[in-house]
Amino acid sequence: QKEVEQDPGPLSVPEGAIVSLNCTYSNSAFQYFMWYRQYSRKGPELLMYTYSSGNKEDGRFTAQVDKSSKYISLFIRDSQPSDSATYLCAMSSDSSYKLIFGSGTRLLVRP
Amino acid sequence: SAVISQKPSRDICQRGTSLTIQCQVDSQVTMMFWYRQQPGQSLTLIATANQGSEATYESGFVIDKFPISRPNLTFSTLTVSNMSPEDSSIYLCSAEAQGNTEAFFGQGTRLTVV
Repeated sequence: QKEVEQDPGPLSVPEGAIVSLNCTYSNSAFQYFMWYRQYSRKGPELLMYTYSSGNKEDGRFTAQVDKSSKYISLFIRDSQPSDSATYLCAMSSDSSYKLIFGSGTRLLVRP
Repeated sequence: SAVISQKPSRDICQRGTSLTIQCQVDSQVTMMFWYRQQPGQSLTLIATANQGSEATYESGFVIDKFPISRPNLTFSTLTVSNMSPEDSSIYLCSAEAQGNTEAFFGQGTRLTVV
C-alpha cells in the first residue's frame, strides 16, 4: 500500500462546476499538507499549505484536512478551463522534511 | 515565495554522456532537493542537496550516477552521468526556506536520452 493514495483521473467537469479532489494517507504522523497544481510541461506550483487539521480558504480554493480519517481534500469553486491541470497532494511529518507525493489527479474543465 | 530558475529547460543527449542541470534560487534557502518525474507519474525524490557537505540520497539513487553540488545557500547542480534512455525524464529542483514549510519548484528540465 502506498503511503499516499490519489485517484489519477482524468476528472472531466463543465465550466462553473465545483471540483473535489482527494487524497488518503496511511501515516498518522503526517502534519503538513500541501496541494500543487502542475500544468503540462511545467513544474509544480504550490496552491495551498495546511498544518494539522482544519480548513483553509484562498479565493476559489478550499483545502480540508481530516486527520481522524486520514483524508484531505481540495475544493475548487466556479471551475474555469484555466484550472485544467494535474493536481498533486503532498505531505510530511514533524520528524522528516521529506515530502511524500500522491500520484496526481488530472483535471479537465470543459468550456 | 521563492523563485527557482532551472537550466537547461530541456535537452536531448546521447547515451553514455553526462548532463549537468543548474538550479538557482532568488533567496537563501535552508533545504534544496532534486526530484525525478517520469512521464505521467508523480515525483520521486532523488536526494537532498546539503550546503557544504555531501548530498543525502534516497534508496535507489547513488552519488556516482547523480552527483550533486551545493556550494552556497542559493545554488545547486545535479549531474546525470553515463546516461541511458531509461534516464529520460523530467528533473525538478525544489527549495524550502526551512524544514516542513512550503516547498517551491523550478520549471523542470526535460531530458531525452537517445
